[in-house]
Amino acid sequence: EPEVTQTPSHQVTQMGQEVILRCVPISNHLYFYWYRQILGQKVEFLVSFYNNEISEKSEIFDDQFSVERPDGSNFTLKIRSTKLEDSAMYFCASRPGASDSSYEQYFGPGTRLTVT
Amino acid sequence: GQNIDQPTEMTATEGAIVQINCTYQTSGFNGLFWYQQHAGEAPTFLSYNVLDGLEEKGRFSSFLSRSKGYSYLLLKELQMKDSASYLCAVKDSNYQLIWGAGTKLIIKP
Repeated sequence: EPEVTQTPSHQVTQMGQEVILRCVPISNHLYFYWYRQILGQKVEFLVSFYNNEISEKSEIFDDQFSVERPDGSNFTLKIRSTKLEDSAMYFCASRPGASDSSYEQYFGPGTRLTVT
Repeated sequence: GQNIDQPTEMTATEGAIVQINCTYQTSGFNGLFWYQQHAGEAPTFLSYNVLDGLEEKGRFSSFLSRSKGYSYLLLKELQMKDSASYLCAVKDSNYQLIWGAGTKLIIKP
């Protein structure tokens, strides 16, 4: 069964460094998402991406964040200058279809980002 | 503001039935989702309701009342593997998923 994959599974970085989290969505899916979940807290929406551009983003997704689909298969989240409070699990998700009728989002296993 | 409320924790017995409630206040409504999340893992999709009523899927059912801003997830014939957090999420007018904090379900033998 196709699945969303994410690399790395765990990333440790120093405060102020740039990190790139990578995701490979399911191949025929058209909508892509990034979420984060701080340990013990709720899942938070960051950004959605469709047709090679951001369709929605939350207040969390400030200028430090960017997303890219560089080659038609990878979907990346970049954090330019990490802060301690960026430590969280980052989930990528994708869903098929160009309409909201294809509603189920498939989540990747997540990347645990630790900022020291 | 946007708010999704669900109980923090519930305990049930193997083989029994449990109902997990969710109430929401969001800017617009474009569907309500239930996800299951085991500790340290990604959420996995359980159900989707956009119209009022009950959606049944095997041992799991989900109910929605849009006028009351209320949903519940019903789990029957509980198994030990059902021990997990159950997340209620609402898609708002901007089609963003707004998540509840989750209900940790503990199943006892």
